[in-house]
Amino acid sequence: QKEVEQNSGPLSVPEGAIASLNCTYSDRGSQSFFWYRQYSGKSPELIMFIYSNGDKEDGRFTAQLNKASQYVSLLIRDSQPSDSATYLCAVTDDKIIFGKGTRLHILP
Amino acid sequence: DTGVSQDPRHKITKRGQNVTFRCDPISEHNRLYWYRQTLGQGPEFLTYFQNEAQLEKSRLLSDRFSAERPKGSFSTLEIQRTEQGDSAMYLCASSLPGAAEQYFGPGTRLTVT
Repeated sequence: QKEVEQNSGPLSVPEGAIASLNCTYSDRGSQSFFWYRQYSGKSPELIMFIYSNGDKEDGRFTAQLNKASQYVSLLIRDSQPSDSATYLCAVTDDKIIFGKGTRLHILP
Repeated sequence: DTGVSQDPRHKITKRGQNVTFRCDPISEHNRLYWYRQTLGQGPEFLTYFQNEAQLEKSRLLSDRFSAERPKGSFSTLEIQRTEQGDSAMYLCASSLPGAAEQYFGPGTRLTVT
């Protein structure tokens, strides 16, 4: 059974600080990795995807992938109250396998 | 067309009734996926289509569930003889040919009373 593990949180981060979200996955053959943001009552929104080892930056977001450790992370710089949401880590092999998500709360 | 659309957005039904949901993918997206999400959980895969062909079904998809995509465009998900455990958000996503990134619609929230 392929699994994606995330700490459910909540993770509380002061406004303006860096939020660090982590995820591990079980299938060593996984090729594509995603971070989705989900506000309460809404559907998931794709914010980052990464396929190669290393870092990928997009604005305030940086995704980090370490395939040897089967570890994916998301850094959010200059955290804003609007970043308060659940962040879903996902791995795909055609269908997406999601973690349960980490609730992030940015403290004003 | 700016995104995946789903209809209805909310559905309340009584146990034992049949319900049908519709999903319209982003234009030119040939893959269409159905997921189910309950409170506090990540979305769970149900089934997916490439064009009109249904390529995979989850073991979660009991015989009461059926999905179609007859012309390779929109898709429908039908649940027969609904049970209270079917209450969830039903999400549809689509992706471009050869792309792994999936984009979700707003979802249909089903409540079975």
